[in-house]
Amino acid sequence: RKEVEQDPGPFNVPEGATVAFNCTYSNSASQSFFWYRQDCRKEPKLLMSVYSSGNEDGRFTAQLNRASQYISLLIRDSKLSDSATYLCVVNMGSNTGKLIFGQGTTLQVKP
Amino acid sequence: NAGVTQTPKFQVLKTGQSMTLQCAQDMNHNSMYWYRQDPGMGLRLIYYSASEGTTDKGEVPNGYNVSRLNKREFSLRLESAAPSQTSVYFCASSDTGRAWDEQFFGPGTRLTVL
Repeated sequence: RKEVEQDPGPFNVPEGATVAFNCTYSNSASQSFFWYRQDCRKEPKLLMSVYSSGNEDGRFTAQLNRASQYISLLIRDSKLSDSATYLCVVNMGSNTGKLIFGQGTTLQVKP
Repeated sequence: NAGVTQTPKFQVLKTGQSMTLQCAQDMNHNSMYWYRQDPGMGLRLIYYSASEGTTDKGEVPNGYNVSRLNKREFSLRLESAAPSQTSVYFCASSDTGRAWDEQFFGPGTRLTVL
């Protein structure tokens, strides 16, 4: 079993759609949770951290369920510029910056 | 600020050759990391350096060595390249190396081993 599992997609959606990505992780000791965005042939960049209370940044909402070891990302009113791969990321446990990345979910937003 | 820089951008090696990938950051970060990214696998941690003078193994350290030359620079060496090391290599840095730190990535080195 992979330590961080994501549906690789691709998700093909029209502009303006709402799309949700899910991720599960296996290490119950993980303490920090993130979504990173990676454009084609570019480096990953932090999209948002994911807190237990849930958090929102504009059109993006992230949720964490520690009991189920499940993380989600919701994108509302999709833009063409949202087309990218979204990486679910958790740390390896304790207070370490050693990260485990999911394989990513690819989103393609079409006009 | 340039952020995290990596050299070279592209490299082709023959099996058995050696090379060093260079990484530097100008953000005065304490922690630095080396990852590899393969299709369908996500990024995997090779080595990391929590602070200047320290290094530790990640998930996939076999076949690699690292040097934290100073606070700014962290190099990755392949002593005897193998085709299985064909990958995209990313260097990253973070402020403190703790759980909630954002990691900043370089543009990557695309390595092919023939």
